[in-house]
Amino acid sequence: DGGITQSPKYLFRKEGQNVTLSCEQNLNHDAMYWYRQDPGQGLRLIYYSQIVNDFQKGDIAEGYSVSREKKESFPLTVTSAQKNPTAFYLCASSMKRVSEAFFGQGTRLTVV
Amino acid sequence: QKEVEQNSGPLSVPEGAIASLNCTYSDRVSQSFFWYRQYSGKSPELIMSIYSNGDKEDGRFTAQLNKASQYVSLLIRDSQPSDSATYLCAVKPNFGNEKLTFGTGTRLTIIP
Repeated sequence: DGGITQSPKYLFRKEGQNVTLSCEQNLNHDAMYWYRQDPGQGLRLIYYSQIVNDFQKGDIAEGYSVSREKKESFPLTVTSAQKNPTAFYLCASSMKRVSEAFFGQGTRLTVV
Repeated sequence: QKEVEQNSGPLSVPEGAIASLNCTYSDRVSQSFFWYRQYSGKSPELIMSIYSNGDKEDGRFTAQLNKASQYVSLLIRDSQPSDSATYLCAVKPNFGNEKLTFGTGTRLTIIP
């Protein structure tokens, strides 16, 4: 089955810890994205990548880091510098140019 | 000015009526426009994409694009209770830039 897989579905983090959220796609898509969604809010772009080994900051990149070593993988690390990380994190991917983006099922991160 | 703006709602529409959702964008050279539907607690799913001025119809959904006015809308005909969700407008800039920016979403409630 082709699609975008995010793991884990739920994640709990202690204050001061770094955590990494996984995003894998087998759609052969070029571009990948990470968004954050807070309750009752829209999607805010954290990072995006157009090709392997290249990525750009979105609107709220502070406290986050990413890598794109393989076309199918775009992991997101939430660092201890992110002071309010509790949110719903969504990964998406798309073919280049005009193509629409498709989403994974999301990861709910809670700081305990 | 926000890159993509939507009325947050909530918008209440009687069952069977037409729901009209609006979105404006700030980047005049934007080329690709998308509407997503998001049910509570779920990830967004693509409803429509539109790239040229005018109307695009798909079943009960019609997307309308006016690049001169920097305006894109979504009409839902014969609204059903299952259409109750948050609708997100998304915009990609000119070709070669894969940044995908979302509005804050409009919450739609269909009243039986």
